[in-house]
Amino acid sequence: QKEVEQDPGPLSVPEGAIVSLNCTYSNSAFQYFMWYRQYSRKGPELLMYTYSSGNKEDGRFTAQVDKSSKYISLFIRDSQPSDSATYLCATFAILNDYKLSFGAGTTVTVRA
Amino acid sequence: DTEVTQTPKHLVMGMTNKKSLKCEQHMGHRAMYWYKQKAKKPPELMFVYSYEKLSINESVPSRFSPECPNSSLLNLHLHALQPEDSALYLCASSQDAEETQYFGPGTRLLVL
Repeated sequence: QKEVEQDPGPLSVPEGAIVSLNCTYSNSAFQYFMWYRQYSRKGPELLMYTYSSGNKEDGRFTAQVDKSSKYISLFIRDSQPSDSATYLCATFAILNDYKLSFGAGTTVTVRA
Repeated sequence: DTEVTQTPKHLVMGMTNKKSLKCEQHMGHRAMYWYKQKAKKPPELMFVYSYEKLSINESVPSRFSPECPNSSLLNLHLHALQPEDSALYLCASSQDAEETQYFGPGTRLLVL
């Protein structure tokens, strides 16, 4: 079993829709949770970074962490064609030497 | 400024060549990383340097040789690579090992 599970999609939505992405993880020691956006043939770009459970909002992006169910989510409101990318969830635990565990990445296409 | 730069952007090399990938950051980060990413897969950790010392080597073949000349620079020396080593090589850095990682744009390597 992978440490972080993420549905690779692909996910296609119309412009303006809410994009909902999620990951589940198995290691209860994970404490830090990130979402990266990766455009084709580019490096991952950090979008959101949260510690422990709760919500964090940044513009059109909202990240949620529910440690009780080991579930992390990213919501993109008012999606734009420029949001078309692969979204990777990632997490790490101090006990794991801080090594990032990535989900498989979900490919999102926002149709104009 | 959260920029990590990598050179070259693209590299084509034969299996007998020796080449080097370079990574630079000026954010004062003390941890630097090399990742390998194949198409439609998440990044895979190769090496971690913390305070200019190699702290993690993820059982990477010896044809990949990392070097950290100073706290801002990270090199990856390549020798006698195989075609299956063709991938996007990503550098990342973080303030410290337990902080969020910021990725560079990557070097796209093709081994012929």
